[in-house]
Amino acid sequence: GQNIDQPTEMTATEGAIVQINCTYQTSGFNGLFWYQQHAGEAPTFLSYNVLDGLEEKGRFSSFLSRSKGYSYLLLKELQMKDSASYLCAVRGEDSNYQLIWGAGTKLIIKP
Amino acid sequence: DTEVTQTPKHLVMGMTNKKSLKCEQHMGHRAMYWYKQKAKKPPELMFVYSYEKLSINESVPSRFSPECPNSSLLNLHLHALQPEDSALYLCASSQEAGGNQPQHFGDGTRLSIL
Repeated sequence: GQNIDQPTEMTATEGAIVQINCTYQTSGFNGLFWYQQHAGEAPTFLSYNVLDGLEEKGRFSSFLSRSKGYSYLLLKELQMKDSASYLCAVRGEDSNYQLIWGAGTKLIIKP
Repeated sequence: DTEVTQTPKHLVMGMTNKKSLKCEQHMGHRAMYWYKQKAKKPPELMFVYSYEKLSINESVPSRFSPECPNSSLLNLHLHALQPEDSALYLCASSQEAGGNQPQHFGDGTRLSIL
């Protein structure tokens, strides 16, 4: 079967760094996306990885290891507005259209 | 603000009503999607249109009927819905269906079935 695992909830402190992990088992691999979703709002695209390594975009970075079926999203200099759910989604090989979504990690930022 | 616009933002309807959800994008994207999202769950794909043709219908009940009048517009017609259909309905678009193109989401329509 196809499966994506993320922690359900994480808590971090304003100004700190947090790493949100995502592991996947899918039929093939054609890229991994990270999305941010604030409560009651639409998911917004954060990053895309298809090759191994780290992609950095400002305060957010995303890492991929295809051999381990593993990715993480690293958030630095946390701000209160970073409190949201973070969704990992994989495009498998079976279909070029569909994303296989993780259940999301709810990140709570405390002052 | 998102570049994918959905209307209405909220909709309450009875089980015998007929209503439509609308989605519009002007980014020149050729793929458009409908998703259903329940609270604390990831989005579930319902339909994909690629170049205005229905590409994927994920075994969605016939009480949901999609329509793509042109490359910028996507509708979802609703009829005889059930209480379990209450959810957030998200529209998304991408340059093409597949590859490394991220999907851009609208703010969604929050649907409640009485």
